[in-house]
Amino acid sequence: GAGVSQTPSNKVTEKGKYVELRCDPISGHTALYWYRQSLGQGPEFLIYFQGTGAADDSGLPNDRFFAVRPEGSVSTLKIQRTERGDSAVYLCASSLTGILAGGPGDTQYFGPGTRLTVL
Amino acid sequence: GIQVEQSPPDLILQEGANSTLRCNFSDSVNNLQWFHQNPWGQLINLFYIPSGTKQNGRLSATTVATERYSLLYISSSQTTDSGVYFCAVKGKAAGNKLTFGGGTRVLVKP
Repeated sequence: GAGVSQTPSNKVTEKGKYVELRCDPISGHTALYWYRQSLGQGPEFLIYFQGTGAADDSGLPNDRFFAVRPEGSVSTLKIQRTERGDSAVYLCASSLTGILAGGPGDTQYFGPGTRLTVL
Repeated sequence: GIQVEQSPPDLILQEGANSTLRCNFSDSVNNLQWFHQNPWGQLINLFYIPSGTKQNGRLSATTVATERYSLLYISSSQTTDSGVYFCAVKGKAAGNKLTFGGGTRVLVKP
């Protein structure tokens, strides 16, 4: 597709369950990012991939959160033992390049998000 | 880490009015983007503007990197401009992540 896609669009789960959220970046984009947005706030960074490797996972809140990008395209965010405080919209973004120095190829494009509700 | 502050937090406009949104940041940046989050939650890219001035239709933006602020101008506002406007920056010393401001919530009344 032309843009970043995320599935599912909505996920309701019970406290303690395991969930997986999927992100399909724009074709050809080497950098992929996960963010989390709580109600009334701006998105907050979770993790960044350059190719297959997690180049920066400093935003992951704890070890219940894990993400992979095994082939350098699709990424999955995995949350174990979900808690009510994990409820939020999880956003994925991609950019053509992930050059630290910036440049137009560094523009991040966001998907529609997955709304996670933990009961 | 880098701090991003947006003002005003809320803005109510009559259709046809002009407005200016401001974004202040606390450190040097490699990337600055403005987004519009529509009522369905989709973040729409408006501008990539780490410095200088750009225009796109009724919207324009200016970033003065040396003074660490950016402005987004909305002219002749329409009801479809309603939503939340976010400024996000990539600090030169902050790796490859975007840090978002708290947003400006805009409501354009017909």
